[in-house]
Amino acid sequence: EPEVTQTPSHQVTQMGQEVILRCVPISNHLYFYWYRQILGQKVEFLVSFYNNEISEKSEIFDDQFSVERPDGSNFTLKIRSTKLEDSAMYFCASSGTSGGPTYEQYFGPGTRLTVT
Amino acid sequence: DAKTTQPNSMESNEEEPVHLPCNHSTISGTDYIHWYRQLPSQGPEYVIHGLTSNVNNRMASLAIAEDRKSSTLILHRATLRDAAVYYCILPLAGGTSYGKLTFGQGTILTVHP
Repeated sequence: EPEVTQTPSHQVTQMGQEVILRCVPISNHLYFYWYRQILGQKVEFLVSFYNNEISEKSEIFDDQFSVERPDGSNFTLKIRSTKLEDSAMYFCASSGTSGGPTYEQYFGPGTRLTVT
Repeated sequence: DAKTTQPNSMESNEEEPVHLPCNHSTISGTDYIHWYRQLPSQGPEYVIHGLTSNVNNRMASLAIAEDRKSSTLILHRATLRDAAVYYCILPLAGGTSYGKLTFGQGTILTVHP
């Protein structure tokens, strides 16, 4: 069964450093998402991406964040200058061939980001 | 997104049916009702979704009230592996929204052996 994969599973970085979290969505999916979950809190939407551009982003997704689909298979989230409060589990998700709210999203296992 | 209300927690015994309720009184005619769950230390997992009619799949059933202001996720025989947080979500439809999911607190389901 196809699945979303994410690397690395755990990333430790120092405050102020840049990190890139990588995701490989399901191959024929067209809609891509990043969510995050701070320990003990709700899952929060960060950004959605379709047709090589951001379709929607939350208030959390400020200028420090960017997303890219560099090669048609990977989908990346970059944080330019990490802060302590960026420590969280980051989940990538992808959605079906037509996308939108009628289609289910498939989530990856997550990358745990720890900023020290 | 339309607001949903779920109980904070529910308990069940293994191999018994579980009915997880969700209220969504402000639902609009085009809102789909989605259910996801999150097992401990894992990412969210799609369970089921529907619009008006009741739906069944290999994981669960979704019963939707006639006025669509509430729905119930039914796990026919709970297993220990079903212990998770269950989320009822109405993704925003239309405009520039491409199915953003807004997770609430969900219902923590505990399954006893």
